[in-house]
Amino acid sequence: EVQLLESGGGLVQPGGSLRLSCAASGFTFSSYAMSWVRQAPGKGLEWVSLISGSAYNAYYADSVKGRFTISRDNSKNTLYLQMNSLRAEDTAIYYCAKAKGYDSSGYYAEVFDYWGQGTLVTVSS
Amino acid sequence: DIQMTQSPSSLSASVGDRVTITCRASQGISNYLAWYQQTPGKVPKLLIYAASTLQSGVPSRFSGSGSGTDFTLAISSLQPEDVATYYCQKYNSAPLTFGGGTKVEIK
Repeated sequence: EVQLLESGGGLVQPGGSLRLSCAASGFTFSSYAMSWVRQAPGKGLEWVSLISGSAYNAYYADSVKGRFTISRDNSKNTLYLQMNSLRAEDTAIYYCAKAKGYDSSGYYAEVFDYWGQGTLVTVSS
Repeated sequence: DIQMTQSPSSLSASVGDRVTITCRASQGISNYLAWYQQTPGKVPKLLIYAASTLQSGVPSRFSGSGSGTDFTLAISSLQPEDVATYYCQKYNSAPLTFGGGTKVEIK
């Protein structure tokens, strides 16, 4: 059974830093791209970042580029998000999500088939 | 960057009704379009990818269509458990932008 468990959220002051972790189990972690998606209170989903299975490629939303860094440790089956220079508008639930990868017909889909329960990040003084 | 626009932002329909939600991309994305369902208090669930491929385990009353810039999610017969917010997402290239969401309620 695929499980994704986020941790590291909390209250941080504007300008501060936080590192989120996502512990994965139930699948071959290194074979799948992983992503962070956030949801501000009462708002819609916002894609934040994605990293390839090998960690060779990483992509970011413009809203976090230069402030956030995604990384992974395939030996520990863990995904990370280092968040620096945090702003009030970064306040959200942060979800870790697994990319589906190849389906049974060989089609590659960089969509998210498993999600963690999320960790709340609150940026406030 | 390509923008994803959903309409309507909310709708109310009766049990058994056919419901359709539209998603429009500001530029063509071929069929690199997914739909997710988020029921209240829950995490998002993948419904459809490649514009029309049903994810395993998703009821057949859900269907997707479209290509290029215009896409549709249809629920053939609305059920009480379908009360949720539905999001489209493009995945042809980063950024993997979500639409603003469509909230579906029972009348």
